[in-house]
Amino acid sequence: DGGITQSPKYLFRKEGQNVTLSCEQNLNHDAMYWYRQDPGQGLRLIYYSQIVNDFQKGDIAEGYSVSREKKESFPLTVTSAQKNPTAFYLCASSRAANPYNEQFFGPGTRLTVL
Amino acid sequence: AQKVTQAQTEISVVEKEDVTLDCVYETRDTTYYLFWYKQPPSGELVFLIRRNSFDEQNEISGRYSWNFQKSTSSFNFTITASQVVDSAVYFCALGRAAGNKLTFGGGTRVLVKP
Repeated sequence: DGGITQSPKYLFRKEGQNVTLSCEQNLNHDAMYWYRQDPGQGLRLIYYSQIVNDFQKGDIAEGYSVSREKKESFPLTVTSAQKNPTAFYLCASSRAANPYNEQFFGPGTRLTVL
Repeated sequence: AQKVTQAQTEISVVEKEDVTLDCVYETRDTTYYLFWYKQPPSGELVFLIRRNSFDEQNEISGRYSWNFQKSTSSFNFTITASQVVDSAVYFCALGRAAGNKLTFGGGTRVLVKP
């Protein structure tokens, strides 16, 4: 089955710790994205990558970092610099990074910082 | 600047009632794309439809239908004869032809009661 996997589904961390969220896709998509969703709000773009070894900041990149060393993987690190990291994080991919191609989403990771 | 407004934050209906979700967008582009996604309680967004700005034909897919009106910058979504499985959060999104990011509305939560 082709799709996007995110792990873990629930993650708890202490304040001040960095944490890395995993995102893997086997759809052979070139583009990958990370979104943040807060309760009752829409999705906001954190980072996106159009191709391996390349990525761009989205609308709310501060306090986050990413890497794209392999086509199928796009991990997101939430650093201690992120002021309010508790949120639901969604990873997505598309065939190419243009708005014509619909994005496919993973099941999300709910991060809670204590 | 791109903006998507979903004025209805939550709609509650009884099974078999019709429900219409409003989506109003703002853009200065002449070419753009509009999307609807469904987010069930599991959290994963599911793509429902894409429409480009040059295609104002309404579309019907089973119990779902979409009404795109460029004159009022609206792309409304109707669920006919709603079912409990339709309970979810629905997002409208806007993509620029020249860009590679989507702008999401705040979402509308639909609750269908048996």
